[in-house]
Amino acid sequence: NAGVTQTPKFQVLKTGQSMTLQCAQDMNHEYMSWYRQDPGMGLRLIHYSVGAGITDQGEVPNGYNVSRSTTEDFPLRLLSAAPSQTSVYFCASSYLRTGGAYGYTFGSGTRLTVV
Amino acid sequence: GDSVTQMEGPVTLSEEAFLTINCTYTATGYPSLFWYVQYPGEGLQLLLKATKADDKGSNKGFEATYRKETTSFHLEKGSVQVSDSAVYFCALNTGNQFYFGTGTSLTVIP
Repeated sequence: NAGVTQTPKFQVLKTGQSMTLQCAQDMNHEYMSWYRQDPGMGLRLIHYSVGAGITDQGEVPNGYNVSRSTTEDFPLRLLSAAPSQTSVYFCASSYLRTGGAYGYTFGSGTRLTVV
Repeated sequence: GDSVTQMEGPVTLSEEAFLTINCTYTATGYPSLFWYVQYPGEGLQLLLKATKADDKGSNKGFEATYRKETTSFHLEKGSVQVSDSAVYFCALNTGNQFYFGTGTSLTVIP
């Protein structure tokens, strides 16, 4: 089925460890983004990309890196995990040329716990 | 800057009750407006959208009208079901940026 695939679904890290959250989409969407969802705070944008080789920071980028080497993939890297990064992470994508008028397609999320 | 404000929950309703979840927005230009729904343990799914003033988005019995004069996009459903229990997010899009409300949790009891 076409859509956004995130892996893993669950992850537990120790403080200071690094890891990469994977996101892939097969809809040829130019725009991809990462959000974190925390109780009472809705969704906050971490990083986004408007195409291969182009990334930019969102509202809460500190502690995270991204790259976009292909249209399909947009991995999110945690460089040195901290308990404050315990959250649910969502990847989302959309067509760029429509200005987002058709909305995002979301992945099913990665639940990360940092101990 | 652009933003979305939606009513805080949680909201608890009996089955077949009328639902309204308020959403107002602040935006420059002419945003597109959306409602997303998140069922437990899942990602967000697009519920409905409206791309210009006075448009009405509708899906699965839910409706919302883009009101530019009141900068609102309230979600309504005439008769809720237990299966509508979820978290609902209002969102707007301007250019390449999406802005989400904090979400409203709805529980429908039989």
